[in-house]
Amino acid sequence: SQQGEEDPQALSIQEGENATMNCSYKTSINNLQWYRQNSGRGLVHLILIRSNEREKHSGRLRVTLDTSKKSSSLLITASRAADTASYFCATDARGRDDKIIFGKGTRLHILP
Amino acid sequence: DVKVTQSSRYLVKRTGEKVFLECVQDMDHENMFWYRQDPGLGLRLIYFSYDVKMKEKGDIPEGYSVSREKKERFSLILESASTNQTSMYLCASKKPSTDTQYFGPGTRLTVL
Repeated sequence: SQQGEEDPQALSIQEGENATMNCSYKTSINNLQWYRQNSGRGLVHLILIRSNEREKHSGRLRVTLDTSKKSSSLLITASRAADTASYFCATDARGRDDKIIFGKGTRLHILP
Repeated sequence: DVKVTQSSRYLVKRTGEKVFLECVQDMDHENMFWYRQDPGLGLRLIYFSYDVKMKEKGDIPEGYSVSREKKERFSLILESASTNQTSMYLCASKKPSTDTQYFGPGTRLTVL
């Protein structure tokens, strides 16, 4: 039962450029999170945005949330080689107790 | 510092073998989760546990069982491994009523 769907599935950009990934979801949420996964590793939490927030910043990350469109975007500014990873959105999906549902991810590749 | 460890990074087993995947967290978290991750399917929840000796089925529990005898340890058991259980297995933990999940590095299981 996938809730979030990231778009695009894969993205390649030049180092220094900005990278934008999108996430759409289906049901009402309390919050939405973004995680990063380096190749063959576990996921690392990046940022959480609550349903009553529209935008949030953390370092080079900017997350927006549009609950009317059931969508979120993650912007990474001034990309670096170390940003190469897969990025997942995760929603809490009201009514699913304490569980969250992950999307399928966007594979980001930063070209030197 | 938050830490979730998994017993093996890579594991190769034969069809029909009983397989134990161990996960240990040192953060005193009540909630623990087991996911599997497959290309094109993202993360899917297998089982989760809210507390010691408690377990709940996730979205794909068939072919798996779990054990939570101690708060810090959550084990995933494949009673009789099959080739379609070849996957990356990720363990995570969190505090109740908080949102961020902390992941282990993953175990890549191959069933021959």
